Amino acid sequence: EAGVAQSPRYKIIEKRQSVAFWCNPISGHATLYWYQQILGQGPKLLIQFQNNGVVDDSQLPKDRFSAERLKGVDSTLKIQPAKLEDSAVYLCASSLGRGRNTEAFFGQGTRLTVV
Amino acid sequence: DQQVKQNSPSLSVQEGRISILNCDYTNSMFDYFLWYKKYPAEGPTFLISISSIKDKNEDGRFTVFLNKSAKHLSLHIVPSQPGDSAVYFCAAPRGAGGTSYGKLTFGQGTILTVHP
Repeated sequence: EAGVAQSPRYKIIEKRQSVAFWCNPISGHATLYWYQQILGQGPKLLIQFQNNGVVDDSQLPKDRFSAERLKGVDSTLKIQPAKLEDSAVYLCASSLGRGRNTEAFFGQGTRLTVV
Repeated sequence: DQQVKQNSPSLSVQEGRISILNCDYTNSMFDYFLWYKKYPAEGPTFLISISSIKDKNEDGRFTVFLNKSAKHLSLHIVPSQPGDSAVYFCAAPRGAGGTSYGKLTFGQGTILTVHP
């Protein structure tokens, strides 16, 4: 079974530029999550999708971050404009559904460096 | 508000000895806990979990203990192996009943190094 795919693996941009990350979840997984992991901290949930609808985006900085999940499969996370403090690893995860017996599987992440 | 805390940033143990990683939580509504393991340049992978109705769960070399009164859990690895060297995260599903195990509050992580 293929895992969660993310691209690119690494990205370096200057502050105020825009950047986009892509995620392809495990086939059949209805729920998709984006996490931000700053160095030395645990991952922090940014947004949760159920199929193509947003379930929870309460911790997404909506003034600069946006995310979409077209057709309930792939998802993109965008930052515009980027700030230095956005430097982090962005992790995508997916799970079968919203029930409690649905483990989440993580992708390898995209390491973003804002200079 | 750090609801899940791992106060030890790092732990170093000798191969064959026991590794004990600790985690504290503040939210008494948490009723399920997971441990994830993360190698460099990889995403976290699920390791072991425990429900609040239990005080111990064992899977091979890995055992998780839960002390609800102290709001404390620990992960024991016996015997430790060099391949266990990784970052270990404690996590709890956010929200009450029915919340997916993917919507997680993570601790800061503990870097475990097992020396040959």
